[in-house]
Amino acid sequence: QVQLVQSGAEVKKPGSSVKVSCKGSGGRFNNYGINWVRQAPGQGPEWMGRIIPMLGVPSYAQKFQGRITITADKSTSTVYMEMRALRSEDTAVFYCARGEDFESWGQGTLVTVSS
Amino acid sequence: EIVLTQSPGTLSVSPGERATLSCRASQSVSSSYLAWYQQKPGQAPRLLIYGSSSRAAGIPDRFSGSGSGTDFTLSIIRLEPEDFAVYYCQHYRSSPPRYTFGQGTRLEIK
Repeated sequence: QVQLVQSGAEVKKPGSSVKVSCKGSGGRFNNYGINWVRQAPGQGPEWMGRIIPMLGVPSYAQKFQGRITITADKSTSTVYMEMRALRSEDTAVFYCARGEDFESWGQGTLVTVSS
Repeated sequence: EIVLTQSPGTLSVSPGERATLSCRASQSVSSSYLAWYQQKPGQAPRLLIYGSSSRAAGIPDRFSGSGSGTDFTLSIIRLEPEDFAVYYCQHYRSSPPRYTFGQGTRLEIK
């Protein structure tokens, strides 16, 4: 079964950018969609977008269109999510999740946006 | 855009009893694209049910999903201490891809 390992916690200033990685291991990675999900403190999950590494074309939720970029590196089975123009309300845990049914999840990356 | 409304917000049930969680869609959706997740504090959500009624790998048969159209249900029988958590329903649209989560139901020990 594919395991997803995400990069570590980040602390960012308002207006800056953050890039979070999600590396797959232990199975087929490039053929399945990798989704990004944001979960603000005390809130439910929110889908941000996804990419199928084999195809390399991302799809974004309208809310995040223009502010995030999702990319994939097939050679290292790694997907990246970059968010720009960070604001305090972007403080959240960001997860990657594999497949249409999100059957595997990364451990989450806490991004704290604070001046 | 489809909105998923879960009820109740919080459900208090005793261990060993049955819990019934509801998820209502703002318009009819395909049952093939309705999923349920469990989330415990400090953990990522875990897939329980996909296709409205199919259990994910490793999920005990105490968990079952049902429903169609706009109304879907997650049932948990013989509640175990580890079942007390927050549960989310989710809908998926394939083209273009869009995922929507409900706001969650917190299942707490009575």
